[in-house]
Amino acid sequence: DIQVTQFPSFLSASIGDRVTITCRASQGISSYLAWYQQKPGKAPKLLIYAASILESGVPSRFSGSGSGTEFTLTIINLQPEDFATYYCQQVRSYPRSFGQGTKLAIK
Amino acid sequence: EVQLVESGGGLVKPGGSLRLSCAASGFAFNTYSMNWVRQAPGKGLEWVSSIRFDSSDIYDADSVKGRFSISRDNAKHSLYLQMNSLRAEDTAIYYCARTAVWPYGHLDSWGQGTLVTVSS
Repeated sequence: DIQVTQFPSFLSASIGDRVTITCRASQGISSYLAWYQQKPGKAPKLLIYAASILESGVPSRFSGSGSGTEFTLTIINLQPEDFATYYCQQVRSYPRSFGQGTKLAIK
Repeated sequence: EVQLVESGGGLVKPGGSLRLSCAASGFAFNTYSMNWVRQAPGKGLEWVSSIRFDSSDIYDADSVKGRFSISRDNAKHSLYLQMNSLRAEDTAIYYCARTAVWPYGHLDSWGQGTLVTVSS
């Protein structure tokens, strides 16, 4: 099974900041990685797939990069609506493991 | 518009059973693989089970293997999760989610979730 390690688990930032979240897979998964955003009481929402492709309607301040075992989600110019929890998921093979999540809070 | 609406959650005693349903609309249900993902209170996301568009392949997490069974009825545009031998650790919100078209495997649409509570 492929394990996915996501860090940091908690991140504090201010409006306008740039933040980076990292996911590391236990073995190579090419670009088979997705990023989701979840707000309290809501279902997760797809942000990025295939490691770097922005889902339609997602603001361009979000970007993803990486391949193989190391991936990053970057958010520039943080907006109030970006404070949420973020998850990565490998979709290379089953079981389709998620990262542990990163809670992004306002400083 | 893609819509996924889960139902069937509730309070059940340990060892009991429950059947979740997910009603799909707004897309060609019979051409998409589908999934169940759960989230325990205050915890992260956990992939539970997946089923191919034609039910030809089914995948389950080790944590539910032998107890949970995913199925679908393409004629009714519905996805199901039969949960048996429920344990306290199965308490979670259960989300129905659609797999994006090949070659991508990400989950591009999610339902609002249904809460399952396992407690005596």
